[in-house]
Amino acid sequence: DAGITQSPRHKVTETGTPVTLRCHQTENHRYMYWYRQDPGHGLRLIHYSYGVKDTDKGEVSDGYSVSRSKTEDFLLTLESATSSQTSVYFCAIKVGTDYSYNEQFFGPGTRLTVL
Amino acid sequence: AQSVTQPDIHITVSEGASLELRCNYSYGATPYLFWYVQSPGQGLQLLLKYFSGDTLVQGIKGFEAEFKRSQSSFNLRKPSVHWSDAAEYFCAAMDSSYKLIFGSGTRLLVRP
Repeated sequence: DAGITQSPRHKVTETGTPVTLRCHQTENHRYMYWYRQDPGHGLRLIHYSYGVKDTDKGEVSDGYSVSRSKTEDFLLTLESATSSQTSVYFCAIKVGTDYSYNEQFFGPGTRLTVL
Repeated sequence: AQSVTQPDIHITVSEGASLELRCNYSYGATPYLFWYVQSPGQGLQLLLKYFSGDTLVQGIKGFEAEFKRSQSSFNLRKPSVHWSDAAEYFCAAMDSSYKLIFGSGTRLLVRP
């Protein structure tokens, strides 16, 4: 357990509504990540952060934005949810301060359904 | 672009039999490689990792993996599978920006 929580754990919403998912860590790690998991695709990176207010896009960033105003929280926002964003969303943190020791630990996930 | 391939979508083995899950990567430099396991409805748990050095790495739950540069492979093995090993297994590679590139996963089914 790397002290990662995600909220909400489950959410059902309607097409066109905004949705914000929250990832919270308790250990002040610099790097945080948002992935989505879909059958047949494994996990794909949406956005990541390498510090407060420092974020960058991943492989599947269209339709998503992120914010990180403090070290412990990394928010993922769907400005206008679409059915294609129905997925399981995982947050992760990178543990390790040099390249010889880097691991990512994952939160429990958020299951999002967009109707 | 870096990529990770897991050619087997499903694998079924009998309890007590040996297991090998395949993973191939495509990356120009020395890769950093990982295996994760995901039980149904759960998050991902790190099984083992390879950064450098000994090409045979040991992980948790009796798993091991061997890095073979000549074959661009990082296959996961276990000598004797237990029913509790039924899960989905993901191979991943870390790029130079500390991002993980995942394979599409292999679902392991264990026959009693």
